[in-house]
Amino acid sequence: QVQLQESGPGLVKPSQTLSLTCTVSGGSITSGNYYWSWIRQPAGKGLEWIGRIHTSGRTSYNSSLKSRVTISVDTSKNQFSLKLISVTAADTAMYYCARDHPALECWGQGTLVTVSS
Amino acid sequence: QSVLTQPPSVSAAPGQKVTISCSGSSSNIGKNYVSWYQQIPGTAPKFLIYENNKRPSGIPDRFSGSKSGTSATLGITGLQTGDEADYYCGTWDSSLSVLLFGGGTKLTVL
Repeated sequence: QVQLQESGPGLVKPSQTLSLTCTVSGGSITSGNYYWSWIRQPAGKGLEWIGRIHTSGRTSYNSSLKSRVTISVDTSKNQFSLKLISVTAADTAMYYCARDHPALECWGQGTLVTVSS
Repeated sequence: QSVLTQPPSVSAAPGQKVTISCSGSSSNIGKNYVSWYQQIPGTAPKFLIYENNKRPSGIPDRFSGSKSGTSATLGITGLQTGDEADYYCGTWDSSLSVLLFGGGTKLTVL
């Protein structure tokens, strides 16, 4: 059974870069026709899709964040990563990674990132 | 305000049935599959329904999904107190090239 685990700093200063990693266990990140997604959720609010990367390396991003987001994959470590530049307080949220196809079928437990000086 | 519209809250008694609607447009629900997720407070969302009406293994048949035109519906029968959660619909939008979620519906089992 595939499991996902997010990791990264819980506190990021405004204008800096948020970097998170999702480690996949119980299966290879390159096997199957999967997308690997990032989703976030501000406290008390709904879900927002950030973007995803396919096992082929093809990426798709939410247009509202596209200029600031990069999602990449490291197959040697069975991980995929999120980088969000120039963060503000509005980027404070719980960040989730998930395996996607045919839907967001397997989620990590989430990691809280606070943007504050 | 979400592109996919869900009622903010629904409620029903234990053992009863409830439906949660998700309204979209021709570029999202009208053209793509809908999925549904359950989020118990303090936990990650859980995958309930995919491709409009299919249940992954382990999801009881008390949960069902349907789609008609530009709207989708999640049904839950035999309500249990453990079903209290926020429920989200999700689908791809072909015009925006983005995965969309509804605003979420809070289910209260009275």
